[in-house]
Amino acid sequence: RKEVEQDPGPFNVPEGATVAFNCTYSNSASQSFFWYRQDCRKEPKLLMSVYSSGNEDGRFTAQLNRASQYISLLIRDSKLSDSATYLCVVYSNTGNQFYFGTGTSLTVIP
Amino acid sequence: GAGVSQSPSNKVTEKGKDVELRCDPISGHTALYWYRQSLGQGLEFLIYFQGNSAPDKSGLPSDRFSAERTGGSVSTLTIQRTQQEDSAVYLCASSPEAGAGFREQFFGPGTRLTVL
Repeated sequence: RKEVEQDPGPFNVPEGATVAFNCTYSNSASQSFFWYRQDCRKEPKLLMSVYSSGNEDGRFTAQLNRASQYISLLIRDSKLSDSATYLCVVYSNTGNQFYFGTGTSLTVIP
Repeated sequence: GAGVSQSPSNKVTEKGKDVELRCDPISGHTALYWYRQSLGQGLEFLIYFQGNSAPDKSGLPSDRFSAERTGGSVSTLTIQRTQQEDSAVYLCASSPEAGAGFREQFFGPGTRLTVL
């Protein structure tokens, strides 16, 4: 079983739509959680950390459910510039490793 | 400030040749990771360095792959006798001190390796 699993998509949504991505992780001892964004042929960049109480950054909301080992990312009012691959990342201090999902592809259509 | 840099940005080599990829992490970051990403795939962990500790080599796919980190800073990833399946983007990331709460990884732009 993979450490982190994501729906690969692709998600094709119109501008202004709300879209949600989900991610599950297998290691209950995982400590830190992140969403990264990766543009085509570019390196991943941190979009936001995910806190236990959930957190919001503008149009982006991240949620963590430790009991279900589930992480989500909600994007409201999608913009064309949101088109990218979104990577779910889980950190465990067992081995100090970051585990990456394979990413969910989003295309926002005019 | 300067981010993570990698060189070369692109490398084309012939099957059987050795290649060296370089990573300059962010100054002061004690953790350094190497990953590779094949076309349309997720990131595959290769190796992890933390300060002066022995590296975690558990992700290296074969003994043709090795890496070192000199002086706790610059790292080189060496692939010997390259094979076509080694073609991928090799990404380096650095991170602040272990155990420091939320630890963001900062990625370099990657080296795109093509083995002919």
